[in-house]
Amino acid sequence: GAVVSQHPSWVICKSGTSVKIECRSLDFQATTMFWYRQFPKQSLMLMATSNEGSKATYEQGVEKDKFLINHASLTLSTLTVTSAHPEDSSFYICSARPWTGGRTDTQYFGPGTRLTVL
Amino acid sequence: TQLLEQSPQFLSIQEGENLTVYCNSSSVFSSLQWYRQEPGEGPVLLVTVVTGGEVKKLKRLTFQFGDARKDSSLHITAAQPGDTGLYLCAGASSNDYKLSFGAGTTVTVRA
Repeated sequence: GAVVSQHPSWVICKSGTSVKIECRSLDFQATTMFWYRQFPKQSLMLMATSNEGSKATYEQGVEKDKFLINHASLTLSTLTVTSAHPEDSSFYICSARPWTGGRTDTQYFGPGTRLTVL
Repeated sequence: TQLLEQSPQFLSIQEGENLTVYCNSSSVFSSLQWYRQEPGEGPVLLVTVVTGGEVKKLKRLTFQFGDARKDSSLHITAAQPGDTGLYLCAGASSNDYKLSFGAGTTVTVRA
């Protein structure tokens, strides 16, 4: 149980194009989904918090017009990197917090998406 | 931002030895989670500890949450090469469910 998928697992794109990454909770409903970025040999950095049916909340220093987040349902959130540049190349990971009717802090992570911008 | 200090940053041990990873903060967390991450993959949840003083065991792994809910430790007994990976601790904020991650501990178990 508690499986989160991401698609695609890797993507290579040209500078200036946009890339969409999907995050799905496969066997549970997720009240909240989170998007992280991870550079090589480093820990995870939270980019934004996404709640179903409302606007995402971005962390300080993250451009919301560049990283568009849509949380259309309780099982799907998407991250679109707009006008990608080589410095956007990174490992993007989503996580989902299950809706249990009570409080839970546990987040289940997707397998990540490797983005390379040429 | 609630900071979590994780130590050591790197650990290289021989198969069969024991190891301990520490996670410390000056902040109180509503819960703390431990994850293991393999290269090119997402973190996999190992355990969530919620109650101060709580001890949880997962086969050869023992997790402890400090009495004040500010620190935690992960102890692996008789480490095996399959335990190799990046171990991450993450503390949850009591009001917004965000996780603050430690810098990670890279564990290498040599056969």
